[in-house]
Amino acid sequence: AQSVTQPDIHITVSEGASLELRCNYSYGATPYLFWYVQSPGQGLQLLLKYFSGDTLVQGIKGFEAEFKRSQSSFNLRKPSVHWSDAAEYFCAVGRNNDMRFGAGTRLTVKP
Amino acid sequence: DTAVSQTPKYLVTQMGNDKSIKCEQNLGHDTMYWYKQDSKKFLKIMFSYNNKELIINETVPNRFSPKSPDKAHLNLHINSLELGDSAVYFCASSHIAGASETQYFGPGTRLLVL
Repeated sequence: AQSVTQPDIHITVSEGASLELRCNYSYGATPYLFWYVQSPGQGLQLLLKYFSGDTLVQGIKGFEAEFKRSQSSFNLRKPSVHWSDAAEYFCAVGRNNDMRFGAGTRLTVKP
Repeated sequence: DTAVSQTPKYLVTQMGNDKSIKCEQNLGHDTMYWYKQDSKKFLKIMFSYNNKELIINETVPNRFSPKSPDKAHLNLHINSLELGDSAVYFCASSHIAGASETQYFGPGTRLLVL
């Protein structure tokens, strides 16, 4: 079945530490891949997206993601987390005319 | 200069009532969407409209009826509200319909059915 999986429901990191949020997908072909962030009480904002080409994608707010076809993964990374990064992060896959989201990973940042 | 706006932001109502949520985008996009986010933060697409025409209708009870008076608006009407309808409803839009299109989301409408 086609799906988007975010294995980690909740992650806590210390401010200044590095971050990696995992995303795996299962689709027949390479889909269009997105990461969105949802701050508390807000809508979703696009961080970055991957369609083709360079497998390392740079996004806003210092985030990057790497597409690995062999692992069907599109993990999100940030070298140094800021307290304002605390939010819910969603991996999404574009297919046909719509978008399918993972269940989300909630990021808590410790002082 | 809000890109995608929704009204109301909060909606508390009794079971059995009929309510509407409005969505407007000023981005000039052709495609608009409604999503439901449940208490576990799971986001599920409900409807998608392209140029006022329905292109996606997921398995949603027919108590939910989207209405698109023009390209810039996609309203969601819900009849006979049930407890399980309590959720956050997000409107979104994209330039055109397509898997590669970035979607722009509204701030959400938090619906609580008592």
